[in-house]
Amino acid sequence: GAGVSQSPSNKVTEKGKDVELRCDPISGHTALYWYRQSLGQGLEFLIYFQGNSAPDKSGLPSDRFSAERTGGSVSTLTIQRTQQEDSAVYLCASSRSQETQYFGPGTRLLVL
Amino acid sequence: GQNIDQPTEMTATEGAIVQINCTYQTSGFNGLFWYQQHAGEAPTFLSYNVLDGLEEKGRFSSFLSRSKGYSYLLLKELQMKDSASDLCAVETGANNLFFGTGTRLTVIP
Repeated sequence: GAGVSQSPSNKVTEKGKDVELRCDPISGHTALYWYRQSLGQGLEFLIYFQGNSAPDKSGLPSDRFSAERTGGSVSTLTIQRTQQEDSAVYLCASSRSQETQYFGPGTRLLVL
Repeated sequence: GQNIDQPTEMTATEGAIVQINCTYQTSGFNGLFWYQQHAGEAPTFLSYNVLDGLEEKGRFSSFLSRSKGYSYLLLKELQMKDSASDLCAVETGANNLFFGTGTRLTVIP
């Protein structure tokens, strides 16, 4: 079956604009994770969904970041009023609860 | 494409040693990360190998052979809390990081 997919694969935007990143998890996976990989840094955890709820939002960098998940499936990560430091690869992963995590290909975001 | 392979699951006994292998075929290579992740939590950085050889850090060691496209994570004196998913990730260039599926390690008494 299909793996985790993310869209867009690449996004270039101007500072101050809003962007929306999408993640389609593997069908049947209840857990969904968002991460960020910034230049020269390690993996940064952003948020975790179990079903539609997010018990842990502590990783979101600022109130400009929000995420939602509907129907226990697709998730969107929204960044409002983008800043240059938001430039990174945004990775999504999904798993059955407490099992192996499968990563998507990532969305490469560049804020000019 | 990029290909990162590691076993899906492993089981080991408390107090023992376990080696988790990772092989990769990628279009570039800057370095290799190992992360540990407990269910529902953020991954924890374990190691980053750039050069060939063994890097030791307490109970954890990581080995890299770039010519063979091979790495392993060695965990000694296993504890029950080591039951987690261990993720291998290859950095192929600036801002490009590709993950394996992770190895779910179960430590039994």
